[in-house]
Amino acid sequence: ETGVTQTPRHLVMGMTNKKSLKCEQHLGHNAMYWYKQSAKKPLELMFVYSLEERVENNSVPSRFSPECPNSSHLFLHLHTLQPEDSALYLCASSQDLAGGAETQYFGPGTRLLVL
Amino acid sequence: GQNIDQPTEMTATEGAIVQINCTYQTSGFNGLFWYQQHAGEAPTFLSYNVLDGLEEKGRFSSFLSRSKGYSYLLLKELQMKDSASYLCAVRDEGNYQLIWGAGTKLIIKP
Repeated sequence: ETGVTQTPRHLVMGMTNKKSLKCEQHLGHNAMYWYKQSAKKPLELMFVYSLEERVENNSVPSRFSPECPNSSHLFLHLHTLQPEDSALYLCASSQDLAGGAETQYFGPGTRLLVL
Repeated sequence: GQNIDQPTEMTATEGAIVQINCTYQTSGFNGLFWYQQHAGEAPTFLSYNVLDGLEEKGRFSSFLSRSKGYSYLLLKELQMKDSASYLCAVRDEGNYQLIWGAGTKLIIKP
């Protein structure tokens, strides 16, 4: 019901694999985000896009590569991941980037396990 | 530094009231959010406070004291479906990014 969908919901991959996570928002928002959520840790912001332009890259390793082809779709391309990259990857969107009461709406996440 | 503190886990009884606290130390302040996250699901927005005081929304209320760097989420008439993690997040002034707490896992017992 949140209007943000993510696929796949679960993913198991080896360290040499290449895979992609997909996020789609149906809310007409202009900003999209990738977060990493590990157990008992705060959400970690990875990437931010506004109007399809990347505005934030929080020192994320290059084995994570985002792509935003349009304002409704966001991808996270994964390659040569490490076991410590296993986590829940959440996508979110907001109407705009402006602060204040701007609310972020989340997708259900992709549970990633790297073997 | 930027820091958000919340209890890791709390337990409460069905039908009772529970208060989940959140304290923050940030360089600026432009609002505080509470989200609910059921296991394996998306975090969903509960409340936003930017001025001091209590905001009530049905069974849930959120309180803010900017001078104390403190907020709480109050849940009344607890139901089993309220078992979830509750995330506190602060928006720094002049910044679109949110600073997140690690979340409080709330367990409701019959």
